[in-house]
Amino acid sequence: GAVVSQHPSWVICKSGTSVKIECRSLDFQATTMFWYRQFPKQSLMLMATSNEGSKATYEQGVEKDKFLINHASLTLSTLTVTSAHPEDSSFYICSAPRLGPYNEQFFGPGTRLTVL
Amino acid sequence: QKEVEQNSGPLSVPEGAIASLNCTYSDRGSQSFFWYRQYSGKSPELIMFIYSNGDKEDGRFTAQLNKASQYVSLLIRDSQPSDSATYLCAPNQGGKLIFGQGTELSVKP
Repeated sequence: GAVVSQHPSWVICKSGTSVKIECRSLDFQATTMFWYRQFPKQSLMLMATSNEGSKATYEQGVEKDKFLINHASLTLSTLTVTSAHPEDSSFYICSAPRLGPYNEQFFGPGTRLTVL
Repeated sequence: QKEVEQNSGPLSVPEGAIASLNCTYSDRGSQSFFWYRQYSGKSPELIMFIYSNGDKEDGRFTAQLNKASQYVSLLIRDSQPSDSATYLCAPNQGGKLIFGQGTELSVKP
């Protein structure tokens, strides 16, 4: 399968600080990437769609000013959690579809964020 | 009604048995369907996808799709303890994957 990387794999920060998470497609280009959040024992919740060269589209209930997304190139999308609070602690996962007839989505390894 | 529903689990099967995982979806416009496996603390891993009615086999895995019934399933033959994980069903809705809550599978040696 295709390779998607994320950095960092885990981060611990103080309440009120901002955290940036990078998502890279290593062996294919991705004009679109997706950002998910997963709380313990729950399924993946789609937060937003990252679009190369244009604004991200956010799912209902997701604050665009809190979760800033930038799709800087065809292989890189970043998610910045601004003014993080303990309730933002979660597992953040990105995915990228490989363009083709079926657009299979491949997931990054995830970033575990803990806000103290 | 939830968009994607999976049998709640946990599902426990003995080693070597067939595990059957079921999923129903509400959006009739979905054209392709993906099955992911997620180990605890890890991100989802693509197992297989299906887009035509009928069966699709890949090794020990068989996906089945019935669009008229809005039903998709995954069979795992000769289940192994290493198959113990949560299995996620995800219809593709206009490029977005909509995930069910997942079914936890436990394969007992």
